[in-house]
Amino acid sequence: GAGVSQSPRYKVTKRGQDVALRCDPISGHVSLYWYRQALGQGPEFLTYFNYEAQQDKSGLPNDRFSAERPEGSISTLTIQRTEQRDSAMYRCASSLGQGGNQPQHFGDGTRLSIL
Amino acid sequence: EDQVTQSPEALRLQEGESSSLNCSYTVSGLRGLFWYRQDPGKGPEFLFTLYSAGEEKEKERLKATLTKKESFLHITAPKPEDSATYLCAVLPGGSNYKLTFGKGTLLTVNP
Repeated sequence: GAGVSQSPRYKVTKRGQDVALRCDPISGHVSLYWYRQALGQGPEFLTYFNYEAQQDKSGLPNDRFSAERPEGSISTLTIQRTEQRDSAMYRCASSLGQGGNQPQHFGDGTRLSIL
Repeated sequence: EDQVTQSPEALRLQEGESSSLNCSYTVSGLRGLFWYRQDPGKGPEFLFTLYSAGEEKEKERLKATLTKKESFLHITAPKPEDSATYLCAVLPGGSNYKLTFGKGTLLTVNP
């Protein structure tokens, strides 16, 4: 079956521009997560949605970062006024629900490069 | 603060040479410990979840074990296609969703 789909796969933009990254979770998965992964590191938690409700945004670095999931399915991570330090791989994951018995399944990510 | 430390950072094996990867963790309670495999350019792929000390899970040439302080991923008679980065993550007792990952072990299996 289809996995977690992220678009675009690569995004290059100039410093100061806004970017929107899209995540289409596995069908039926109510939980959705955004992570950021630096080279040679494991994914780092950014934010979590349960259905359309953003239940935890504690990992978002600052107020330039925001995320939404208005209909409880597709999610968008938006970065305003991008800076070079925002360059990274952004990954989305989804799971059937919360808890240790619901593994998170990851997409192949969006590689963001800020010039 | 929850911490996950994986060792070694990188491991080179000859085909058929068995070995183990280590994941040490410090967490307030443990709701689950997860192993993932990550191929270059791809997202992490779920392998196993372990819940309590003494538990073991197997899949083909991989076996994961768990103690109160660490987990091991044993690789028996590896093949070149087992080459990947293996990531360990913990779900602490106080959270239903917030995984903390280690940095991973880059495994290379030479033919």
